[in-house]
Amino acid sequence: DVKVTQSSRYLVKRTGEKVFLECVQDMDHENMFWYRQDPGLGLRLIYFSYDVKMKEKGDIPEGYSVSREKKERFSLILESASTNQTSMYLCASSPPTGVLSNQPQHFGDGTRLSIL
Amino acid sequence: GESVGLHLPTLSVQEGDNSIINCAYSNSASDYFIWYKQESGKGPQFIIDIRSNMDKRQGQRVTVLLNKTVKHLSLQIAATQPGDSAVYFCAENQGSGNTGKLIFGQGTTLQVKP
Repeated sequence: DVKVTQSSRYLVKRTGEKVFLECVQDMDHENMFWYRQDPGLGLRLIYFSYDVKMKEKGDIPEGYSVSREKKERFSLILESASTNQTSMYLCASSPPTGVLSNQPQHFGDGTRLSIL
Repeated sequence: GESVGLHLPTLSVQEGDNSIINCAYSNSASDYFIWYKQESGKGPQFIIDIRSNMDKRQGQRVTVLLNKTVKHLSLQIAATQPGDSAVYFCAENQGSGNTGKLIFGQGTTLQVKP
C-alpha cells in the first residue's frame, strides 16, 4: 500500500513565524502535491512537483513556497505565517500520468495548522 | 469555467440500503475521474476511478457510473454500513499534461442511520 506520511498531525504557530510542513512518500512517486482544505471551499492546490527540484504553482500559491530536494520528500513552507493560513494541509503523491495511464493521488492524514 | 460539484451536501441513508452520491462536472475534456472517501481526522482515501472510455466500473460494494453526455458522475454503495459514514469527494483530471493535477468537488457527507 502507498504510504504518505505527514510529520505532524497538529501544529500551533504564531503570526510571522516561518513554518515547515513535511511530507514523505514511500512509493517512489514522481508527482507530489500540497493542498489546503477549508470548510465550504474543498481541497485547493497550493503547489505541486513532478520531479526532484521541480515545482509548479497551484491555484493558491501566495504566501507559500515548497522544496523538493529528494524524490520521497516534499516540504511546504509558510514564509511568514498569518492567521488566514490556519487550515488543514494535505499532502498527496502519484506516479506520472498520461492519456492511457492515469493514476489516483494518494493522501496523507493531514496536518491541522493553527496560526495564533 | 471548470468546476466539479456534488449535488447534495448531506445524504442520510438507513443501514443496509443502497446509497447514491452524485457529481456534476463541466470540463468535457476531462478523461479521468476518481471518488475519494474522507473519514473524520483522516486524509482522503481512494475508492474507485474510471476513465472516460468507460461508462461503468465496479469495485467491492461500489459502482461508479459516468454519463459524458450530461457530464455526470455517480457513486453507488451497496448495502450501506455504518463504516461508510464519511465525506465523499469526486475529482477530475484537467485533461492535459502528465502531472496528474485534479479538481475536487466540495464533498457530500454520507450519514448512515442504524
